[in-house]
Amino acid sequence: DTEVTQTPKHLVMGMTNKKSLKCEQHMGHRAMYWYKQKAKKPPELMFVYSYEKLSINESVPSRFSPECPNSSLLNLHLHALQPEDSALYLCASSQDGEETQYFGPGTRLLVL
Amino acid sequence: GQQVMQIPQYQHVQEGEDFTTYCNSSTTLSNIQWYKQRPGGHPVFLIQLVKSGEVKKQKRLTFQFGEAKKNSSLHITATQTTDVGTYFCVGGSQGNLIFGKGTKLSVKP
Repeated sequence: DTEVTQTPKHLVMGMTNKKSLKCEQHMGHRAMYWYKQKAKKPPELMFVYSYEKLSINESVPSRFSPECPNSSLLNLHLHALQPEDSALYLCASSQDGEETQYFGPGTRLLVL
Repeated sequence: GQQVMQIPQYQHVQEGEDFTTYCNSSTTLSNIQWYKQRPGGHPVFLIQLVKSGEVKKQKRLTFQFGEAKKNSSLHITATQTTDVGTYFCVGGSQGNLIFGKGTKLSVKP
């Protein structure tokens, strides 16, 4: 299984809502990532989990809260988002920090 | 900080023409990876280069890693409409992956 799955595929939320994005992989990868991608831009790294511990937080606002319940799952909890947070949120996994990353299909988020 | 510069930003070609995108890193890389993202899709891994001066081919795609491990190129021979998308180089360095800004390729039939 070389697939990274993400749910939901699309999400529309208001600025007062709380929602969560979910990511799952069963490749035994020990590193998992959250990226944010705006239109016509490359993915921007948000968080990296290595062996279920948060290893990189790229100065992301606290309204984004990552969680790694186990080695296969990665969540991104969203609260009080702003319209400028609307983007494609990509999850990826890799064997370690510099190896090939496998990306999920992403969640397209619209904040109203 | 570490940067990976990628050019050109956009390339429009006629079907059958060749296409090349180039990446340059401000620091020596341990590896470089290439990804393709189709419109509306997500990045998909194409290849990884690790050795200095390495050249790899995948059908019509040729990937090169420079001798100094600071630059790389992707060349597509005789483009087809299925090659449309954005090609990202990603430099691996000190446990991190650094994305280039991507080259968006459009192919006119």
